[in-house]
Amino acid sequence: AQSVTQPDIHITVSEGASLELRCNYSYGATPYLFWYVQSPGQGLQLLLKYFSGDTLVQGIKGFEAEFKRSQSSFNLRKPSVHWSDAAEYFCAVGPQIKAAGNKLTFGGGTRVLVKP
Amino acid sequence: DGGITQSPKYLFRKEGQNVTLSCEQNLNHDAMYWYRQDPGQGLRLIYYSQIVNDFQKGDIAEGYSVSREKKESFPLTVTSAQKNPTAFYLCASSIRGLAGGRYNEQFFGPGTRLTVL
Repeated sequence: AQSVTQPDIHITVSEGASLELRCNYSYGATPYLFWYVQSPGQGLQLLLKYFSGDTLVQGIKGFEAEFKRSQSSFNLRKPSVHWSDAAEYFCAVGPQIKAAGNKLTFGGGTRVLVKP
Repeated sequence: DGGITQSPKYLFRKEGQNVTLSCEQNLNHDAMYWYRQDPGQGLRLIYYSQIVNDFQKGDIAEGYSVSREKKESFPLTVTSAQKNPTAFYLCASSIRGLAGGRYNEQFFGPGTRLTVL
C-alpha cells in the first residue's frame, strides 16, 4: 500500500529565510505528486503538482518542488519565506492507474511557523 | 464563481445523534470525496464517489454513510456508530479523467468542524 511521510511535524523559520519541507513516499510505480497548503480552519489549496517531465516543478506563491525518483522524495522549497506562508503543508500522492479510483494518500502534514 | 461549499461551518452534536454534513460543488466534477482531518494525522479518506449513484468506502468508512443522488451533491452522515466523531471534515471534488493531466487534482471545500458534546 502507498504511504507518504512528512518527517517534520513543525518547522520554525525566520521571515526572509529559505524553507524546505520534506516528503517521502512509498509506491509501486511513479505516482502523481502534489503539495497542498492549509491555513487554520480552512480547506486545502493546491500549491503545485508533478505528473511527468521536468522534475523541478514551479507552483504558486513562489514555491517549487523537486521530484527525485531515486530517493522517492518530493521536497517543497521556497527561497524567501513571508509571514503569510505560516500554515500547514501536506504532501500527497495519487495513482497513475485509472482503476485505482483517483484516490490521494496524504502525509501527516508539516506546520510552518514564521518568526518576524 | 465555481467552487465547493460545505455547510455548516461548525456543527455540534450530542452523543447518540446522527448528523449530516452538506457538500455542494458547481465545478461539474464527476468525482467527490470526504476526508476526515485530525491533528497530526493528515487527511484520511472516508468515502468517495466517481459517478452519480455510486460510491466506495475509503480507509475509515465505519460509522459514516453517504449518498450521491445528484452530480453536484455528496452529503456525509456521521452516525451514532462513529465512536470518535469530533474532527474537521473536508469535502473535495475532481475531474474523472481518462488519462493524465488534471486527472487526480482535487479541489477542496472550506470544511466543517464537528464537535460532539
